[in-house]
Amino acid sequence: DAGVTQSPTHLIKTRGQQVTLRCSPKSGHDTVSWYQQALGQGPQFIFQYYEEEERQRGNFPDRFSGHQFPNYSSELNVNALLLGDSALYLCASSLGVQASYEQYFGPGTRLTVT
Amino acid sequence: DAKTTQPNSMESNEEEPVHLPCNHSTISGTDYIHWYRQLPSQGPEYVIHGLTSNVNNRMASLAIAEDRKSSTLILHRATLRDAAVYYCILRDLSNTGNQFYFGTGTSLTVIP
Repeated sequence: DAGVTQSPTHLIKTRGQQVTLRCSPKSGHDTVSWYQQALGQGPQFIFQYYEEEERQRGNFPDRFSGHQFPNYSSELNVNALLLGDSALYLCASSLGVQASYEQYFGPGTRLTVT
Repeated sequence: DAKTTQPNSMESNEEEPVHLPCNHSTISGTDYIHWYRQLPSQGPEYVIHGLTSNVNNRMASLAIAEDRKSSTLILHRATLRDAAVYYCILRDLSNTGNQFYFGTGTSLTVIP
């Protein structure tokens, strides 16, 4: 049973460019959340997708957008990259959106913006 | 979601029990208490969660105070593999977003 997978593992981009990160949820899970983790900090919630719709959003600008596909996989897009966008981007999946459900995290994508 | 307070760091000797505290004085009656840990260079990993009663699983135990204003994650015999950052998180049952608001957590060092 595959867990949460993310691609790519590492990525280097230049300021102003655009990037797309991908996530496949754990088998049987239908909800995907994205987090940004700066060095030395806890993960910060970006947004959550359920039934192909954005359900909740954290305090992130519109440069951050996402998508969920019918097979429940998801993409995170970041436009007009800033140096401050350099971070570990984590994807987490769960079955449904109830507060009692645990989330399973992927290993993350390390994005470096130069 | 209510906030949690954890010590920045703790140390434990290998094979001894570890008690990781978390204060959540503004917890509401519908908040679940979740614990996650993050090993170096990995994504967070689910440890345990509970609502009112103490909980046990293969990884740890969760002791919840009677007034629910604090909780303690108990690792019964710390190993070097338990060295990680441990996050205590509250999730409101009435909020169906299921996102987690992480703090800075407790960095646990296990001494051989």
